[in-house]
Amino acid sequence: QQQVKQSPQSLIVQKGGISIINCAYENTAFDYFPWYQQFPGKGPALLIAIRPDVSEKKEGRFTISFNKSAKQFSLHIMDSQPGDSATYFCAASRVGSARQLTFGSGTQLTVLP
Amino acid sequence: EAGVAQSPRYKIIEKRQSVAFWCNPISGHATLYWYQQILGQGPKLLIQFQNNGVVDDSQLPKDRFSAERLKGVDSTLKIQPAKLEDSAVYLCASSLGGGVSSPLHFGNGTRLTVT
Repeated sequence: QQQVKQSPQSLIVQKGGISIINCAYENTAFDYFPWYQQFPGKGPALLIAIRPDVSEKKEGRFTISFNKSAKQFSLHIMDSQPGDSATYFCAASRVGSARQLTFGSGTQLTVLP
Repeated sequence: EAGVAQSPRYKIIEKRQSVAFWCNPISGHATLYWYQQILGQGPKLLIQFQNNGVVDDSQLPKDRFSAERLKGVDSTLKIQPAKLEDSAVYLCASSLGGGVSSPLHFGNGTRLTVT
């Protein structure tokens, strides 16, 4: 019940294209859904996060779409750039968990120039 | 602000040996986490501290892993004895508090290889 399932495992997109990564969760107590970006040899860095009281959040080229009834959320990267090539992790935490994040398995994104 | 500092960056040991990792969180951050990231997987929480007290260590293999956070600042994670399956990146993270408005900041990790 604590799992967060992420897909696809890898994604190749042309420069300027849209990258879409999907996550699904089971625990309805989750109330915070961040996305992290990780470059090789670096720790994950918070990219964008959403709470379940909104269906969409946009920050620059990055958008989270959230579907509470389906227990799914996704990351959209518009106008993808080679510099966006990294591994992306979705995560979730629940009320009272003191920010104990449960991470998805990751998506390795490659943006071709 | 300075980020989360971890050392060493890399460590290679033989199975059954012991190893220790060090973490210095961002100044003023009360909450500190240790995560284990196995190659190709997402990070998995091992232990969480609030100041110098343990909040949750339910996923820490206590027969071989131990962690401490003295004076509520720096922390060390120790493995003794190490097993092959302990090969992973060990990430330290910190946050101001445990609430939703306090994002986690990760260090660059220590890559452990057990041979």
